[in-house]
This record gives sequence, structure tokens and C-alpha cells, in this order.
Amino acid sequence: GQNIDQPTEMTATEGAIVQINCTYQTSGFNGLFWYQQHAGEAPTFLSYNVLDGLEEKGRFSSFLSRSKGYSYLLLKELQMKDSASYLCAGGSGNTGKLIFGQGTTLQVKP
Amino acid sequence: KAGVTQTPRYLIKTRGQQVTLSCSPISGHRSVSWYQQTPGQGLQFLFEYFSETQRNKGNFPGRFSGRQFSNSRSEMNVSTLELGDSALYLCASSPDSPDQPFHEQYFGPGTRLTVT
Repeated sequence: GQNIDQPTEMTATEGAIVQINCTYQTSGFNGLFWYQQHAGEAPTFLSYNVLDGLEEKGRFSSFLSRSKGYSYLLLKELQMKDSASYLCAGGSGNTGKLIFGQGTTLQVKP
Repeated sequence: KAGVTQTPRYLIKTRGQQVTLSCSPISGHRSVSWYQQTPGQGLQFLFEYFSETQRNKGNFPGRFSGRQFSNSRSEMNVSTLELGDSALYLCASSPDSPDQPFHEQYFGPGTRLTVT
């Protein structure tokens, strides 16, 4: 199977750090993507990992452990505008097919 | 470059009707994927087209079909609409160059379909 699991909701405080976890069944995926989706808008690409380890992009970092079927998205110095849904998605090779998790709705409070 | 565009943005149809949605990818992008997004099921992959050929298909019934034209523009069609087809339909394009293992997908704003 290709299930992807992530928490439904999270709450964090402005200026803090939050980690959003994603677990998946290891067969079938060889890359993990993270997207951000604000309410009423299209998803926007944040990062992807194909190798184990941490990828850093400004305030956002993503980690992957392929053997454990585990990824996380780390958001630092949270801002109110980071309130959104964060989607973890598995990709298979060089194709446009992504399998998405249900998304984690993050609420950033003052 | 202009982003991914989708038309129409909003659509209301009646059960049993059919609908065609259109997607224009970013210039130079050859891969176009379609997704259905609903509150209950989240984002679900419908199909992907590359060079006018369907390259991948999700687990949707045959009522859902698509095609891609030589200019990479894509359409998807849903026949015999059901109430459960009410959803946001998102199109995404990707550059798909052979020297990169993965390509981020750029999503369009979506078409909000309501079936009554």
C-alpha cells in the first residue's frame, strides 16, 4: 500500500518552532514532497527529499529517513502567515504522480 | 512566466450531466497532472499526461477521463456526474527534464465543481 499519515491539526505560538511529522509505507515511494496550502488557495511547493537527511530552505527544513518511512517538516520562527495546511506527498520516480496525506492544519497563535 | 491556469474557476452542474475542465500548464512544462480535493478524502491523484499520453492513472472510475494536446494543454472530462463528484479539481504542471530525478509540481488555482 501507499498510505501516508500525518497529524490532522497542530497549534503553535508565533516565533516558536514546530515539527510536522509524516509516516509512510516504504514500498513505492522514492521521494517525499511537502506542500503548503492556505485556505481557498492552491498548494505551493515547499521542499522535497530523495536522500536521507535534512534539507534546509530558510525557515523551512525537511527531513527524510527512507528506512523508517518517516519524514518531518520543521518550521522555525513561526509567523502568523504560516497558518495553513501542510501536505506530505510521496512520489514515484520521474513522474507527476504524487500520493498525498490528508494534510496537517497548523494554527499559529499570537 | 505565467503560472498554471484553469478554466472555468467555478462550475455548477446537475447530476447526470457531463463536464469538461481545462488546464494550461506553465510554458515549457510537458507533464500535467490532475487531482481531486475534497474535505473528506484530501488530495487524490486522478491521472498524469506527458507528451499527449496518459503516463499514470489513479483509482477513479472510467467516468473520469482526460487528454493532452500537442501544446501540453490538458482537459479532463467527467461524465454522468454524481453528487460525490463535487470537489476542487486541481491541475499541476511539471518541467519533467530527464536530468533531474524529481520535479516539483506547480498547481493551478483549481476549478470548484458543485453537482446538485
